[in-house]
Amino acid sequence: NAGVTQTPKFQVLKTGQSMTLQCAQDMNHEYMSWYRQDPGMGLRLIHYSVGAGITDQGEVPNGYNVSRSTTEDFPLRLLSAAPSQTSVYFCASKFPGPNSPLHFGNGTRLTVT
Amino acid sequence: KQEVTQIPAALSVPEGENLVLNCSFTDSAIYNLQWFRQDPGKGLTSLLLIQSSQREQTSGRLNASLDKSSGRSTLYIAASQPGDSATYLCAVFEDSNYQLIWGAGTKLIIKP
Repeated sequence: NAGVTQTPKFQVLKTGQSMTLQCAQDMNHEYMSWYRQDPGMGLRLIHYSVGAGITDQGEVPNGYNVSRSTTEDFPLRLLSAAPSQTSVYFCASKFPGPNSPLHFGNGTRLTVT
Repeated sequence: KQEVTQIPAALSVPEGENLVLNCSFTDSAIYNLQWFRQDPGKGLTSLLLIQSSQREQTSGRLNASLDKSSGRSTLYIAASQPGDSATYLCAVFEDSNYQLIWGAGTKLIIKP
């Protein structure tokens, strides 16, 4: 059982480049989300999805796009990378409802120079 | 706006000690409070989830308590082991917007 799989694990971009962070889950979770984690701060929600075809913005959505064409996949696109987007990105998924635990991938460490 | 605070940011204790990690939140209108563990270079693992109607939850050597009226939760770790070394994060699931609001975490080091 793979759980939540994120690729790549590490990425270095130059300012202005674009890229897609991949996230896939095999638990049939309807809810998927992207967070970024910065030193000394809690996780901040970027975008989330409550099901295929439905996405919504979180706390820090600017500079990022998402789509949800299948239940399993939830890619995060950086449109034009900026140094402020240097961070560790986590994908997480769960079943609907507030009392369903959140399952995380192992993260993507992104550096923008 | 809900704010979640974890103090201290780092804690180092000898193996075998019992210890308490603290989490405070500013708005008591929550569905639940959740504790997670994060190992270096890894994602987060859910440890305990306390629903708003509950006072505590236990899993093995871990016990989490919730006092909504005072906006506080504690994670008690009994008989600490070096394998407990990790960063522990708490998060509250908000009533209003169905999202988790996170603390910055406490980095715990258990010295052998």
